[in-house]
Amino acid sequence: DTEVTQTPKHLVMGMTNKKSLKCEQHMGHRAMYWYKQKAKKPPELMFVYSYEKLSINESVPSRFSPECPNSSLLNLHLHALQPEDSALYLCASSPGRGETQYFGPGTRLTVL
Amino acid sequence: KQEVTQIPAALSVPEGENLVLNCSFTDSAIYNLQWFRQDPGKGLTSLLLIQSSQREQTSGRLNASLDKSSGRSTLYIAASQPGDSATYLCAPFGTYKYIFGTGTRLKVLA
Repeated sequence: DTEVTQTPKHLVMGMTNKKSLKCEQHMGHRAMYWYKQKAKKPPELMFVYSYEKLSINESVPSRFSPECPNSSLLNLHLHALQPEDSALYLCASSPGRGETQYFGPGTRLTVL
Repeated sequence: KQEVTQIPAALSVPEGENLVLNCSFTDSAIYNLQWFRQDPGKGLTSLLLIQSSQREQTSGRLNASLDKSSGRSTLYIAASQPGDSATYLCAPFGTYKYIFGTGTRLKVLA
């Protein structure tokens, strides 16, 4: 199984809502990532988990809260988002840091 | 700070042509470089990963080269097909993360 899955595919939320994005991989990868991608722009790294521990936070606002409950699962909790947070959120995994990254299909988030 | 530029930004070619996509990066202290393709609104698919010690990597009709000292990588696509239409992104891995290039939007016409 060489797949990274993400749910939901689409999410619309108001600025006062709380929602979560989910990412799952069963490749035994020890590094997992969250990226944000705006239209016609390259992906920007948000968070890196290595061996289930947060190793990198790219100065992301606290309204985004990552969680890694186990080695296969990565969540991104969203609260009090702004319309400018609307984007495609991509999850990726790799065997280790600096190795081939496998991306999920993304969650298209719209904040009203 | 690493900056990654891809030229051309967009390319439209007839089917069957051989193509060269260019990637340049400002910091040559990289561990490896990946090439990805991205279909509209979708995730990224890794095409090739070249280690810093390698000069070339091949997969099917794709060949990627890396010249670390000059801060350049090229992706060569042989005998292009309409299914190759996508955005191609290069990403060097530096100190701790991949930095993605600006991308080349490729359209192959049937």
